[in-house]
Amino acid sequence: GQQVMQIPQYQHVQEGEDFTTYCNSSTTLSNIQWYKQRPGGHPVFLIQLVKSGEVKKQKRLTFQFGEAKKNSSLHITATQTTDVGTYFCAGFKAAGNKLTFGGGTRVLVKP
Amino acid sequence: DAGVTQSPTHLIKTRGQQVTLRCSPKSGHDTVSWYQQALGQGPQFIFQYYEEEERQRGNFPDRFSGHQFPNYSSELNVNALLLGDSALYLCASSLRLTSGRPHEQYFGPGTRLTVT
Repeated sequence: GQQVMQIPQYQHVQEGEDFTTYCNSSTTLSNIQWYKQRPGGHPVFLIQLVKSGEVKKQKRLTFQFGEAKKNSSLHITATQTTDVGTYFCAGFKAAGNKLTFGGGTRVLVKP
Repeated sequence: DAGVTQSPTHLIKTRGQQVTLRCSPKSGHDTVSWYQQALGQGPQFIFQYYEEEERQRGNFPDRFSGHQFPNYSSELNVNALLLGDSALYLCASSLRLTSGRPHEQYFGPGTRLTVT
């Protein structure tokens, strides 16, 4: 079945630094969504990417969908303590009509 | 406008028992999906309901069943509980699929189920 994997599993970042987390699917995706889950909270929708090679920005967050629509990345610049949490990608394959979540990247920020 | 609500917040059950979890979707949403999230892992899709029917199902046994009511609220039932069923159960609501494109999902706070 479809598998979505994220690396790294953990990301320790110094406040003010940049980092990137990656999402890879075993199959070609129709769309990909990104969610953020704060400690003790529930996933909150961040963005959806649809087109091959698409790049979207939200303030300090940059999301990219790969040309082959099998991978995606999230890049955060000038990390802040408010960025703490687990970031999940979720792939959608039209034939399956369901979202498959990756295992997440847990981000810890050192002040 | 209330978001997605779930009840109960926490639940402790014994192996072999049955449990029912409840979810009310965000106003205006007609599709409800259920997920199981084990500690330190991503949400795993259980099933999705709209128009009161199960539309998609993940790799979960028949012990997991659900229902959607005419007001779009939903229940998740788990029979013959196992220790491995201990997890956070998340309900997410959305608009139904449009032109093959999913809409963003709004998650509820979840129900923490502990099986002893």
